[in-house]
Amino acid sequence: DTGVSQDPRHKITKRGQNVTFRCDPISEHNRLYWYRQTLGQGPEFLTYFQNEAQLEKSRLLSDRFSAERPKGSFSTLEIQRTEQGDSAMYLCASKAPGGNQPQHFGDGTRLSIL
Amino acid sequence: AQKITQTQPGMFVQEKEAVTLDCTYDTSDPSYGLFWYKQPSSGEMIFLIYQGSYDQQNATEGRYSLNFQKARKSANLVISASQLGDSAMYFCANPGSARQLTFGSGTQLTVLP
Repeated sequence: DTGVSQDPRHKITKRGQNVTFRCDPISEHNRLYWYRQTLGQGPEFLTYFQNEAQLEKSRLLSDRFSAERPKGSFSTLEIQRTEQGDSAMYLCASKAPGGNQPQHFGDGTRLSIL
Repeated sequence: AQKITQTQPGMFVQEKEAVTLDCTYDTSDPSYGLFWYKQPSSGEMIFLIYQGSYDQQNATEGRYSLNFQKARKSANLVISASQLGDSAMYFCANPGSARQLTFGSGTQLTVLP
């Protein structure tokens, strides 16, 4: 069990650029979640996958955001035409089957928009 | 819809003493659970403890225990024998229908030597 891995740890970019983050979940976990966390707040749910299917998206996920999990393993989160308000920590979590199983989080990707 | 309320933005505790972090929840689900996570300054979210609504006993996990009062809709985290390494942000969370977590705003715990 190598844990949930996220890449990159930090991303600094100019407003208007596109960015892509990657998440590698724990291998036997079928569910993968993306959250966004701004300073001083708890994480907020963005979207989740069960295997390769994206089953739910939060209204926080504007049309500039897209997420994929093409083979039911790793996932990517892309933000197009970044805005100042996109600056946040983006957290990925994975979960084993079973309602009471906890989500295991990666270290997150901190995005800063200049 | 789930709602989690953590009313203590910051708490201080002396090393080796116990501390209680408050969490109240509001959910319409007849069966639900509560999770507690720890987030040190380095940023990773660490799972601490889980309580199911139908569990007969309060959950315990090492120095962590839950004071679960269903009628009051509260699930307070008790940390016994506090250590300096316990200084962190603590979040209470409740899973929704797709097990996505709704988090409270957190409590910043500082353990004093």
